Amino acid sequence: EPEVTQTPSHQVTQMGQEVILRCVPISNHLYFYWYRQILGQKVEFLVSFYNNEISEKSEIFDDQFSVERPDGSNFTLKIRSTKLEDSAMYFCASRRDTNNYGYTFGSGTRLTVV
Amino acid sequence: DAKTTQPPSMDCAEGRAANLPCNHSTISGNEYVYWYRQIHSQGPQYIIHGLKNNETNEMASLIITEDRKSSTLILPHATLRDTAVYYCIVRVDGYTGANSKLTFGKGITLSVRP
Repeated sequence: EPEVTQTPSHQVTQMGQEVILRCVPISNHLYFYWYRQILGQKVEFLVSFYNNEISEKSEIFDDQFSVERPDGSNFTLKIRSTKLEDSAMYFCASRRDTNNYGYTFGSGTRLTVV
Repeated sequence: DAKTTQPPSMDCAEGRAANLPCNHSTISGNEYVYWYRQIHSQGPQYIIHGLKNNETNEMASLIITEDRKSSTLILPHATLRDTAVYYCIVRVDGYTGANSKLTFGKGITLSVRP
């Protein structure tokens, strides 16, 4: 069964450093997403991406965050200057069509900012 | 999207049916009921969805009341691996671009005991 692959599974970084979280969505999917989940809290939407541009972003997704699909396969989330409160699980998701049952999530990257 | 309410937690014995309730009293005629689950900080996983008829797949059954104000997800023979947070989400199908994200609530934590 096709999977959304995320790397690394766990990343530790110092406060103020830049991090890039990587995702390989399912190859024929057209819509891409990043979500995050702070420990013990809800899964929160960050950003959606379609046709090589951001289609929606949440209040969390401020100027410190950016997304890119540089080569038609990878989908990355960059945090420019990490803060302690950025520590969370980050999930990438993709879907092919507009149906709501078609979302496939990756296993996540656990980001720890120290 | 219509609001859903779920109890915070429930448990069941392994091998027994787990019946997970969801209330969505403000659901509108074109909104579907979707269930996703999240096993121990993994990415959410699609389970099943329906509009007004009962649905069954290899994972679960979905029973929607005639007035569509509530539904029940049934795991017919729960196993320890079904211990997870289960999310009931109500929304119109076919979103593209903006508003295509899934919005997760707190869900219901199902604990399957040996």
